[in-house]
Amino acid sequence: GESVGLHLPTLSVQEGDNSIINCAYSNSASDYFIWYKQESGKGPQFIIDIRSNMDKRQGQRVTVLLNKTVKHLSLQIAATQPGDSAVYFCAESNYKLTFGKGTLLTVNP
Amino acid sequence: ETGVTQTPRHLVMGMTNKKSLKCEQHLGHNAMYWYKQSAKKPLELMFVYSLEERVENNSVPSRFSPECPNSSHLFLHLHTLQPEDSALYLCASSQVTYESNNSPLHFGNGTRLTVT
Repeated sequence: GESVGLHLPTLSVQEGDNSIINCAYSNSASDYFIWYKQESGKGPQFIIDIRSNMDKRQGQRVTVLLNKTVKHLSLQIAATQPGDSAVYFCAESNYKLTFGKGTLLTVNP
Repeated sequence: ETGVTQTPRHLVMGMTNKKSLKCEQHLGHNAMYWYKQSAKKPLELMFVYSLEERVENNSVPSRFSPECPNSSHLFLHLHTLQPEDSALYLCASSQVTYESNNSPLHFGNGTRLTVT
C-alpha cells in the first residue's frame, strides 16, 4: 500500500547549525504536502506546506523542498535553536492526508 | 494559544465508564476531525465531518461515537473502552471546498486518555 516514511528517526544538531529532515513518500498521485512540528505535551503545529506544482517553498527560517522524481520531501531549518527541539513529521495528500511517523530533532546548546 | 481547544487535557477512566471528549474550533473552518495518536505510530484518522458529511474510518470500533452539532464543536463519546484505547486523542479543523481538500489541518493539544 501507499505510505509515508522518514529516513532518520532521530537527529541531533548543535545550536546554530542547519537541520535537514527527510521524508519519502510512495503515492505518486499525492499533490499536497505538509510539515508539522510537535512539542512534548502539545498537538502538531503546522509549519509549512507545498503543492506539487512547486519544488521549493520558503518560510521563516524553514524551507521545504519537493523532488517528485524520487518522491522525496525535506524540511530545512536554518540556524537551529533549542526551541526547535521537537518531533517533526510530514504528511502527504491525495484528497486524504497520510502522516509519517516522525523524526525527533534534538538541539544541543 | 491554539485556535482549537480540547477538554479535558487528561482523562483516566475505567473500562465500564462513559465519558466524552470535547473540541471547539475558533478558526471559522468547515471541517473537523478526530485523530488517535499512539506511541511510535503515525496519526490515525478516526472521523471526519466535512461539508456537512460524516466520513468514518471503518476500522474504528463502535465504542467510539462522534457527534458534531455544528461546524465549531465536535465531541467523541466513549463507552466500554479497552486498555489498548489509551492514547492521545487529537481534534483538528480545516477549511475545505468541494473542489479541493488540500488545506492544512490545525490541531488542538489533545486529550491524554488512560483506560484502566
